[in-house]
Amino acid sequence: GAGVSQTPSNKVTEKGKYVELRCDPISGHTALYWYRQSLGQGPEFLIYFQGTGAADDSGLPNDRFFAVRPEGSVSTLKIQRTERGDSAVYLCASSLDGRDSQYFGPGTRLTVL
Amino acid sequence: GQQLNQSPQSMFIQEGEDVSMNCTSSSIFNTWLWYKQDPGEGPVLLIALYKAGELTSNGRLTAQFGITRKDSFLNISASIPSDVGIYFCAGLGIGSGNNRKLIWGLGTSLAVNP
Repeated sequence: GAGVSQTPSNKVTEKGKYVELRCDPISGHTALYWYRQSLGQGPEFLIYFQGTGAADDSGLPNDRFFAVRPEGSVSTLKIQRTERGDSAVYLCASSLDGRDSQYFGPGTRLTVL
Repeated sequence: GQQLNQSPQSMFIQEGEDVSMNCTSSSIFNTWLWYKQDPGEGPVLLIALYKAGELTSNGRLTAQFGITRKDSFLNISASIPSDVGIYFCAGLGIGSGNNRKLIWGLGTSLAVNP
């Protein structure tokens, strides 16, 4: 498609479960970013991919969070042993080469009960 | 983490009025971006600024990249009800290597009374 897409749009899970969130960036964009946004806040940086490699994962809150981008296109954010505090909107963005403007997807709203 | 100082925090205006919001930083940026976010949606890029002093328009929106590289403003002229939303500024630093994180303001919530 023309823009960044994310699936699912909503995910409700129970505390302790494992979840995967998917991002399809704009075709041809080599840079991909994951953010987390809580109500009333701006996006909080999690991880940045340049191609297949994680160029900066300093925003991942702990080792329960992991992301991959095996072929340099689609990315998956994985959260293990979810906690209620993980509830947020998870946003994905892509840019042409990491120096350009970032374009966001609609987000996945994660609710951990 | 680092954040930009964005003001005002919220605005409630009459349809047809002009709106102005701004962002300041203690750090220098080489790119300023302005986004609008509607409820339940991701941020949508409105205007990107790449050069100090640059003034760029997108329809009724005008944004400027401050000469000092530490500030930017966004103006909306003749507001309409669909301008309602949260506006975020974001700065992309003069980075080193691959670290190209956006630094975000806390947003300006705009309400327009028809």
